[in-house]
Amino acid sequence: GAGVSQSPRYKVAKRGQDVALRCDPISGHVSLFWYQQALGQGPEFLTYFQNEAQLDKSGLPSDRFFAERPEGSVSTLKIQRTQQEDSAVYLCASSPPGTGIYNEQFFGPGTRLTVL
Amino acid sequence: GNSVTQMEGPVTLSEEAFLTINCTYTATGYPSLFWYVQYPGEGLQLLLKATKADDKGSNKGFEATYRKETTSFHLEKGSVQVSDSAVYFCALKIQGAQKLVFGQGTRLTINP
Repeated sequence: GAGVSQSPRYKVAKRGQDVALRCDPISGHVSLFWYQQALGQGPEFLTYFQNEAQLDKSGLPSDRFFAERPEGSVSTLKIQRTQQEDSAVYLCASSPPGTGIYNEQFFGPGTRLTVL
Repeated sequence: GNSVTQMEGPVTLSEEAFLTINCTYTATGYPSLFWYVQYPGEGLQLLLKATKADDKGSNKGFEATYRKETTSFHLEKGSVQVSDSAVYFCALKIQGAQKLVFGQGTRLTINP
């Protein structure tokens, strides 16, 4: 079956532009996560959904960042008025139903955002 | 807070060498521990995991043992191959939380 897909794979934006990044999780996966990975660093948590409910958005760096998952499947991460420090790879992950602490997260290939 | 520290990279080894990548953690609760691997051009993949002290996770010849007394989860492999070249991330997840907390990653290159 298909894994987590993300689009676009690469995005170049001029400073001040708005961008929207899409994530298609694995079918049937209830949980969906967004992470930000700066160059040479590990991924850092941004936000988490269970179905359509955004249960944790503590990692969003500013109010310019907004995520939604209106029907509990596809998710969009939107960044308004992009800044150069937003340049990073944005990773999406999904995990199946269940509350096990070791419930595996399956990662997509990421979207590389470059802000000029 | 919760954090993970990995040994600095990059690490370059010859084929069939012994590999150790160090990982230590700080956690406010009782964590589960993970190693993820990112092969060139691919997404992060779970390599192995351990959920309680003294557990050993293993996969593809890699092993790591959850050491609560030293707060460590070092990754080892007895004989590396060129195909093991990748970036390796140590991570933790606190009981009751959903998010993963990652280390900064260690780039491994294996030369034939």
